[in-house]
Amino acid sequence: AQSVSQHNHHVILSEAASLELGCNYSYGGTVNLFWYVQYPGQHLQLLLKYFSGDPLVKGIKGFEAEFIKSKFSFNLRKPSVQWSDTAEYFCAVSTGTASKLTFGTGTRLQVTL
Amino acid sequence: GAGVSQSPSNKVTEKGKDVELRCDPISGHTALYWYRQSLGQGLEFLIYFQGNSAPDKSGLPSDRFSAERTGGSVSTLTIQRTQQEDSAVYLCASSPDGYSYNEQFFGPGTRLTVL
Repeated sequence: AQSVSQHNHHVILSEAASLELGCNYSYGGTVNLFWYVQYPGQHLQLLLKYFSGDPLVKGIKGFEAEFIKSKFSFNLRKPSVQWSDTAEYFCAVSTGTASKLTFGTGTRLQVTL
Repeated sequence: GAGVSQSPSNKVTEKGKDVELRCDPISGHTALYWYRQSLGQGLEFLIYFQGNSAPDKSGLPSDRFSAERTGGSVSTLTIQRTQQEDSAVYLCASSPDGYSYNEQFFGPGTRLTVL
């Protein structure tokens, strides 16, 4: 069965700092990779996804992620965070035939002014 | 348009009681998913519906948990004889179809507290 690891559990950054959140998965076959975000008091929403093509994907609000197949990684990046990026970020994977999502444990990002 | 809705938003129950949680997916979405979000376990998949059928029930933690979907739309998740470890936020998501590369749209969740 597939699994997802997010090694950063709680990250605190100042506004304008650069962000990189790690995500590694374990599965040997075809994968689809997602980053979801949960802002305080709101429901989960999609930031970006990768399923084929260019391994560098761009999402909403200036976020991007790079799929590195050899490293089984899909790290999330943003060059300059804003206070409004304070949220919990979840990496998730689905495999070729099964559409259920397997989530990582989440990373809580706190951006200070 | 309207997103995924869930009811109730909060449910407090006593240990041993049965509860029913409801999910209304986005209109026209054939795929519907239930997940559970708890402090100890993170976000876990429970069950997947394609239309009214459930081809993947692998995440249901015990036979106290069941779910159904009618008319290819509304779904209910039933937990019988609730236990304290069932306390969690139950999330519903829907997708236009069951393809694994599609985005799943999540509802606001039902927070279940078992006393």
